[in-house]
Amino acid sequence: AQSVAQPEDQVNVAEGNPLTVKCTYSVSGNPYLFWYVQYPNRGLQFLLKYITGDNLVKGSYGFEAEFNKSQTSFHLKKPSALVSDSALYFCAVRDLYSGAGSYQLTFGKGTKLSVIP
Amino acid sequence: DADVTQTPRNRITKTGKRIMLECSQTKGHDRMYWYRQDPGLGLRLIYYSFDVKDINKGEISDGYSVSRQAQAKFSLSLESAIPNQTALYFCATSDYQTGGKETQYFGPGTRLLVL
Repeated sequence: AQSVAQPEDQVNVAEGNPLTVKCTYSVSGNPYLFWYVQYPNRGLQFLLKYITGDNLVKGSYGFEAEFNKSQTSFHLKKPSALVSDSALYFCAVRDLYSGAGSYQLTFGKGTKLSVIP
Repeated sequence: DADVTQTPRNRITKTGKRIMLECSQTKGHDRMYWYRQDPGLGLRLIYYSFDVKDINKGEISDGYSVSRQAQAKFSLSLESAIPNQTALYFCATSDYQTGGKETQYFGPGTRLLVL
């Protein structure tokens, strides 16, 4: 079975400071990992994904994420936070070796990011 | 994502009523999904469809049914709504890629309140 944990329900960061939103995963085989962002009253928007290759993945709006296989983590980062980054962030995983469910995405519970002016 | 639309955007209904939520997409994707989002629980998969003739139950399908009327349309029905089906419902689409590399793209959501 595949699972995702986002250990922080909320993250607060001052504008201009670097931000990190944490994600750890559990899979049987190799993971495909995704980050989505949800702004208020909006659907989920795709930010970035890790499939294979370089452990540092760059995505939309200046976000990046680092895949760490030994720590089973895929933390989302941004060097300088903006107030407009305030939103709900979801990490998701797909395990290629989960048999019939290998196409399914499993989502974390979400982390609310608040960037303080 | 404007390529995936959901109607209605908001709906209030009463216990026992049948309601339908609709999803349309112009992305040309074969695969479509229905999720529900509850605070603190993330997104959970209700049903998914890989093409018009292929429909599968997800993690929490009890109390729901779906219909894939065309490649671009996928509707979710609550046959007899109950209050614990109050949630935010999302439709998503994806385009098949070998090895599971595909990305899912989401609609704006339908906020459903069952009284």
